[in-house]
Amino acid sequence: LAKTTQPISMDSYEGQEVNITCSHNNIATNDYITWYQQFPSQGPRFIIQGYKTKVTNEVASLFIPADRKSSTLSLPRVSLSDTAVYYCLVGAMDSSYKLIFGSGTRLLVRP
Amino acid sequence: DTGVSQDPRHKITKRGQNVTFRCDPISEHNRLYWYRQTLGQGPEFLTYFQNEAQLEKSRLLSDRFSAERPKGSFSTLEIQRTEQGDSAMYLCASSEREAPQETQYFGPGTRLLVL
Repeated sequence: LAKTTQPISMDSYEGQEVNITCSHNNIATNDYITWYQQFPSQGPRFIIQGYKTKVTNEVASLFIPADRKSSTLSLPRVSLSDTAVYYCLVGAMDSSYKLIFGSGTRLLVRP
Repeated sequence: DTGVSQDPRHKITKRGQNVTFRCDPISEHNRLYWYRQTLGQGPEFLTYFQNEAQLEKSRLLSDRFSAERPKGSFSTLEIQRTEQGDSAMYLCASSEREAPQETQYFGPGTRLLVL
């Protein structure tokens, strides 16, 4: 699975938009990009997944440029409850089913 | 609640003791995974089942670790002769293959502390 690089930590304030960028220079043609969120003492939770361009759901948006060497998770109007660790994962599940997590980005939302 | 459940949520044991954890996946999910997570790190893959067949084991899974999924439903992870280095959160996840990409649903984890 492609290695990913993302910031170790980020700070924000309630109501702001937060963008977390992930680099994956070695992404393969059939790889998807997936983001998970993890709160303390809980298991990771799937947020969003995409292959190219833009994907949006009720929680977040995922922006993927044409070269797919990076992606940006966008959280609109964050609240205190969005304080968590966010993991970017890249891989193709048709052959490599196991998820390979990096250290993630610790997002702290302040009042 | 029909999510993944794990039992116990917390376990404290003394070095050298055996421990067993249980995972109940989302019903009808045929894939089940075990991961281990230490403080400040992302989860690390341990092993994977498709139905009752254990299809892959990580090199992290030493001989002291064994996992089973006897009827293709719940799974157990046993650690024999625990060591302090086994202290971690043990996470279980399940999935049902969805085209083109599957999503894994995680349980709350079992936090193990070996004294």
